[in-house]
Amino acid sequence: ELKVEQNPLFLSMQEGKNYTIYCNYSTTSDRLYWYRQDPGKSLESLFVLLSNGAVKQEGRLMASLDTKARLSTLHITAAVHDLSATYFCAVGATGASGSRLTFGEGTQLTVNP
Amino acid sequence: EPEVTQTPSHQVTQMGQEVILRCVPISNHLYFYWYRQILGQKVEFLVSFYNNEISEKSEIFDDQFSVERPDGSNFTLKIRSTKLEDSAMYFCASGEGVLGRESFGAGTRLSVL
Repeated sequence: ELKVEQNPLFLSMQEGKNYTIYCNYSTTSDRLYWYRQDPGKSLESLFVLLSNGAVKQEGRLMASLDTKARLSTLHITAAVHDLSATYFCAVGATGASGSRLTFGEGTQLTVNP
Repeated sequence: EPEVTQTPSHQVTQMGQEVILRCVPISNHLYFYWYRQILGQKVEFLVSFYNNEISEKSEIFDDQFSVERPDGSNFTLKIRSTKLEDSAMYFCASGEGVLGRESFGAGTRLSVL
């Protein structure tokens, strides 16, 4: 059974600081996603990582994937208040007729002015 | 940009009643999914649907649940006899391929009283 663990689960940081969220998963996967969720809202897709060594950046967020270590990171650079949200990683397991995502517990990020 | 639409946004029902949650996936997508998120918890996979049949379901998806694609555009989740613990946000998602990025709808908040 695929397990996905994120840490930390709660992160409070000051504006302008850098930090990294970690996502470990237990079995081989063909893709990894990062999503953002604002309170009461849907899941906003941030990144999809498909191969070992993949790195993607969008604004102050950068995601990377190490399939050998079964680890993905989401790095936040010079945080701003607007980044406050819950961030989920999700790992895909593909079969012949579709796929399912297994989500981590989520990291609740609060960026303080 | 095409999006997955879900109705209603909020459904309140009495315990034991049947509910149908509706989704319109993105038109050229072939894979359809339901996920749920209990308040404050992670997102959990319920079921995937491809080629007019269930391709995979989780242990949560018991006999009380069913899915249907009644026409070419809608994808529904039915809960036959709702329980208090069914209260959650239900997300529909669709994808164009097994390695494509799934798109999530805004969700239906189900409240069982």
